[in-house]
Amino acid sequence: DARVTQTPRHKVTEMGQEVTMRCQPILGHNTVFWYRQTMMQGLELLAYFRNRAPLDDSGMPKDRFSAEMPDATLATLKIQPSEPRDSAVYFCASGLRVAGETGRDNEQFFGPGTRLTVL
Amino acid sequence: KQEVTQIPAALSVPEGENLVLNCSFTDSAIYNLQWFRQDPGKGLTSLLLIQSSQREQTSGRLNASLDKSSGRSTLYIAASQPGDSATYLCAVRRVETSGSRLTFGEGTQLTVNP
Repeated sequence: DARVTQTPRHKVTEMGQEVTMRCQPILGHNTVFWYRQTMMQGLELLAYFRNRAPLDDSGMPKDRFSAEMPDATLATLKIQPSEPRDSAVYFCASGLRVAGETGRDNEQFFGPGTRLTVL
Repeated sequence: KQEVTQIPAALSVPEGENLVLNCSFTDSAIYNLQWFRQDPGKGLTSLLLIQSSQREQTSGRLNASLDKSSGRSTLYIAASQPGDSATYLCAVRRVETSGSRLTFGEGTQLTVNP
């Protein structure tokens, strides 16, 4: 069945190292989201893409975070350099926005997440 | 700025009980509202999606209602089971011409005791 996949599922790294998280959206979906979940802040939207173009990345610290979609089947979220405060679970989600139906997006489907620990 | 609040933060009930989870949002200019379930250490599973023009949606033992004017939604779970134990999150999608931003509540942690 169609699912959003994320790799790696777990990542432990040291402060200052580069971290790259990958997401494969559901085939045919044209919108991809990156969220971060922590105990203190809950779920926060970091960035999202429509048809591979970034629409909103206002939730993302620009100095160290970057998000890209090299192609329609791959989205990446990179942190360089990583810091302990980046420790969180990072979720990718995908959805389908149908042209002409303003705002009537279909559901967002979430991946299993990448649990990042920065020591 | 849209704020989403869920009450209660935690709920513990005996198996078989019917229960209601509450979600409120401050900005009624939403396109839709989505209820999710999250199991410990797992991702989010979409349960129900209600468009702003709808009043309720049903899926099995779950029923979600939406009162956009008052900024409220409820998730009703009938005949609760231990397998329903999880954190339930509501999220609203606000009105934007190009966007699809979801704002999440902090969740209600449900425990159904056998």
